[in-house]
Amino acid sequence: NAGVTQTPKFRVLKTGQSMTLLCAQDMNHEYMYWYRQDPGMGLRLIHYSVGEGTTAKGEVPDGYNVSRLKKQNFLLGLESAAPSQTSVYFCASSSGQLNQPQHFGDGTRLSIL
Amino acid sequence: GQNIDQPTEMTATEGAIVQINCTYQTSGFNGLFWYQQHAGEAPTFLSYNVLDGLEEKGRFSSFLSRSKGYSYLLLKELQMKDSASYLCAVRDPGGFKTIFGAGTRLFVKA
Repeated sequence: NAGVTQTPKFRVLKTGQSMTLLCAQDMNHEYMYWYRQDPGMGLRLIHYSVGEGTTAKGEVPDGYNVSRLKKQNFLLGLESAAPSQTSVYFCASSSGQLNQPQHFGDGTRLSIL
Repeated sequence: GQNIDQPTEMTATEGAIVQINCTYQTSGFNGLFWYQQHAGEAPTFLSYNVLDGLEEKGRFSSFLSRSKGYSYLLLKELQMKDSASYLCAVRDPGGFKTIFGAGTRLFVKA
């Protein structure tokens, strides 16, 4: 029972490089989310999706793009990485029912030099 | 918009009881969650409240007062493994998103 799987777990990039973070869930959840977590700031929502083929902006979307081509996958892209994007990125999924919590992946630790 | 406040850090002694408070200001409300997050790990679900009152789950209980915009997480019989961050989160009125507080880091000492 894998739950939510994020790849890679760690990555170091140079300023201006691009990369894609992968998130996969095997719980048949409708909703998926990408957060970043920085010291003292808690989890901040980057983008989210309420179903296959749909995406929406969260609290801090600038510099990121997402795609949800398949229900089980949610991809987060950094087109031109900046040092301010150094963070821990968490993917989460939920069924969408109001009383159901989000299930989180183990996180991706990303450093931009 | 939504705003969630919780203390930054707390320290408690093994075997004791600790209460972690959370206040929120929202334009609507669809439930409040508490998550536990150990250092370097993912958040994990602890409790959910949507109606006023106390929900008990073993050593952990969570309380909600919607009229006061207030919740607390009560941890009893503290153990060293309870040292973690505790995140208060409110589901937004639309139901699609959950807004997280910055978290309270709890240190349990022997």
